[in-house]
Amino acid sequence: GAGVSQSPRYKVAKRGQDVALRCDPISGHVSLFWYQQALGQGPEFLTYFQNEAQLDKSGLPSDRFFAERPEGSVSTLKIQRTQQEDSAVYLCASSLAAGQGNSPLHFGNGTRLTVT
Amino acid sequence: AQSVTQLDSHVSVSEGTPVLLRCNYSSSYSPSLFWYVQHPNKGLQLLLKYTSAATLVKGINGFEAEFKKSETSFHLTKPSAHMSDAAEYFCVVNDGGFKTIFGAGTRLFVKA
Repeated sequence: GAGVSQSPRYKVAKRGQDVALRCDPISGHVSLFWYQQALGQGPEFLTYFQNEAQLDKSGLPSDRFFAERPEGSVSTLKIQRTQQEDSAVYLCASSLAAGQGNSPLHFGNGTRLTVT
Repeated sequence: AQSVTQLDSHVSVSEGTPVLLRCNYSSSYSPSLFWYVQHPNKGLQLLLKYTSAATLVKGINGFEAEFKKSETSFHLTKPSAHMSDAAEYFCVVNDGGFKTIFGAGTRLFVKA
């Protein structure tokens, strides 16, 4: 069965470029999360979607970060005018339930973004 | 507000000896607690979860964790380490809202 798929696996961007990271969640999963994982750190919450609705974006570090999930399945995380501090692994996770804390998360392998 | 503290950034054990990875949490509500494992170049995988049923939770690969409310702890244990257990382990808390909070991680080294 297909798991959570993220693309690209690796992305190198020059400072100031815009990037778009894609997440294909498990089919039928209502909840979708984006996390940022800096080197040597645990994943940090960025944003949460319940179907197509973005219910929590409190973790997005600046207005250069934007996420969408227009049809309630595939999601895109966009970073405008990338900065070196944006270099990290961006993880996408989905879960079957809607906003329930006890549902396990299914993670993709992440996109490693390096800003030079 | 919820938070989680993993008390050791690195733990080193010999193969065949017990493993203890320590986690303390803070939550305003009755939390759900999880342990995830991350092998190099692989995605995060759920080891086990606690959701207010039995306080001793059994997970995959022989791991288990005990929820102790009085100590606000959720330590991960395994009786006998295997080389394949070497990985990064994350303790995770959720108080029923949208955010799931990860600890900083504990890297487990297993010596032959």
